[in-house]
Amino acid sequence: DQQVKQNSPSLSVQEGRISILNCDYTNSMFDYFLWYKKYPAEGPTFLISISSIKDKNEDGRFTVFLNKSAKHLSLHIVPSQPGDSAVYFCAASAIGNEKLTFGTGTRLTIIP
Amino acid sequence: DAGITQSPRHKVTETGTPVTLRCHQTENHRYMYWYRQDPGHGLRLIHYSYGVKDTDKGEVSDGYSVSRSKTEDFLLTLESATSSQTSVYFCAISPVLTASTDTQYFGPGTRLTVL
Repeated sequence: DQQVKQNSPSLSVQEGRISILNCDYTNSMFDYFLWYKKYPAEGPTFLISISSIKDKNEDGRFTVFLNKSAKHLSLHIVPSQPGDSAVYFCAASAIGNEKLTFGTGTRLTIIP
Repeated sequence: DAGITQSPRHKVTETGTPVTLRCHQTENHRYMYWYRQDPGHGLRLIHYSYGVKDTDKGEVSDGYSVSRSKTEDFLLTLESATSSQTSVYFCAISPVLTASTDTQYFGPGTRLTVL
């Protein structure tokens, strides 16, 4: 049972345009959400997070939006740059649970 | 960058053989985790440790055991490797227990192939 879903395995975006990566979840107990970025042959690195008490968090070119009623979050990258080409994982945690639940990942390719 | 190393980085082994993967940290973080990454599944937690000699199971622990005799080392053992354990294995460390922080740091991974 995949509690965190990233339905798009891959996405290609032109350099300079906006990249939108989506994530859906089913567990209503999730209260904290994170995005990780992963380059080939490296471990995932933390990118941005959002608490369930917020609906938006912004950090430079990266913005995460949370829609709790729809159990949906999205990561916006604008403008997209070639260095953004990577696999992006959505992750979630529940109150009182120290473990992260990850999505399946979306491979983002930025086309120069 | 958090000081996390994994060894070996690549390993090919045969079905039925024992395999041990090592995670070593220089950050003195209390919590350590082992994940596996597979296509279509993302990262899944195998085992984690909340202190020396204190470990617990994750969602895919069958066929794996762990040990932590020192703060800095967390070992993952496949007692008898199977082809279904072919995967990329990541170690992670964290100074705090709750996942509601941005402080889980990952190692570079070990690619294991079981023939």
